[in-house]
Amino acid sequence: NAGVTQTPKFRILKIGQSMTLQCTQDMNHNYMYWYRQDPGMGLKLIYYSVGAGITDKGEVPNGYNVSRSTTEDFPLRLELAAPSQTSVYFCASRGEGYEQYFGPGTRLTVT
Amino acid sequence: EDKVVQSPLSLVVHEGDTVTLNCSYEVTNFRSLLWYKQEKKAPTFLFMLTSSGIEKKSGRLSSILDKKELFSILNITATQTGDSAIYLCAVERGGGKLIFGQGTELSVKP
Repeated sequence: NAGVTQTPKFRILKIGQSMTLQCTQDMNHNYMYWYRQDPGMGLKLIYYSVGAGITDKGEVPNGYNVSRSTTEDFPLRLELAAPSQTSVYFCASRGEGYEQYFGPGTRLTVT
Repeated sequence: EDKVVQSPLSLVVHEGDTVTLNCSYEVTNFRSLLWYKQEKKAPTFLFMLTSSGIEKKSGRLSSILDKKELFSILNITATQTGDSAIYLCAVERGGGKLIFGQGTELSVKP
């Protein structure tokens, strides 16, 4: 059982480039989340989704976009990458219970 | 604005000590409070609390919620070096949104 998978694990971007962080879960969870974690800080919610076709902004959505065309996938798009987007990105999913399952994270550096 | 505040931000103890980590919150439409442990990778779930005054316990870890005073504590007794980690508190509000605190970094020395 794969759980929540994220790709890539690491990425270096130049300022102004774009990329998509992939997230897939195989637990048929309705809720999915994207967080970023800066060094020494907690998790900041970027976007979340309560089901296919439904997305909503979190605390720090600027510079990001998401889509949720299927239950399984919740990609995060960065347009015009900036150094302030250097962070570790975690995707998570949750079913009708309260436990969130986290992916392994993507470490992104923008230079 | 919703916020979750943890204290202390960092803590250094010796093996065998007991520690108490704090989490206070101001969140509209509160649904639950969750504790996670993070050891250099993705967070792992510890507890979920929804009702005041009911202690959740797992081994040496326990947690309790006070919905009147809007806070929760996480206790760890007889600490071990393997307890060294960042402990994260999160509050779920209606609609599925989770707000995390900044975390408490615990270091347990032998």
